[in-house]
Amino acid sequence: DAGITQSPRHKVTETGTPVTLRCHQTENHRYMYWYRQDPGHGLRLIHYSYGVKDTDKGEVSDGYSVSRSKTEDFLLTLESATSSQTSVYFCATRDSEGSPLHFGNGTRLTVT
Amino acid sequence: DAKTTQPPSMDCAEGRAANLPCNHSTISGNEYVYWYRQIHSQGPQYIIHGLKNNETNEMASLIITEDRKSSTLILPHATLRDTAVYYCIVRVGGSQGNLIFGKGTKLSVKP
Repeated sequence: DAGITQSPRHKVTETGTPVTLRCHQTENHRYMYWYRQDPGHGLRLIHYSYGVKDTDKGEVSDGYSVSRSKTEDFLLTLESATSSQTSVYFCATRDSEGSPLHFGNGTRLTVT
Repeated sequence: DAKTTQPPSMDCAEGRAANLPCNHSTISGNEYVYWYRQIHSQGPQYIIHGLKNNETNEMASLIITEDRKSSTLILPHATLRDTAVYYCIVRVGGSQGNLIFGKGTKLSVKP
């Protein structure tokens, strides 16, 4: 959807290791978002970006950092992965204020 | 953002219209109503949105009451592939905003 590619699609990692998830979009959308989805919690916003080098925290940002050095890429980094970060991570983009979100197909991360 | 209330689950017969309700009684004048759905293990998919007028696209129709306190998403001829969780979200558009997804309605379309 909207040319959004998330990589990797699946990852298993060990507690304490750093992990970076990538979201790449080809639509030149200004706004990009990272969500996580867990049973019983629905989708929760981690971080978002409203332009290159402009990012802000969402509701569950602890333990995560993001970077956006160019329009098309939004990286989510877990500096030291914990088991509580086992989840499905979704990237989303949108073109302008008020326009709908378009989501990628997710990255399933397992921290052992 | 205004809070929304949706039934946790609904059933619909294949080929019939699916009418999914959403209550947003605290909506303010500049808040849009968005509908998304999520088919198992995929990313959420945008369906439709509106401010106060009824809207229709190739996927669905959105009926918003005159007082804007509730809305209904209509899938005119539900198919098995429409089985999904449907989210109703109310939001003011804005660069520092985001859509807060609740628990939605699990729609099961049955043959």
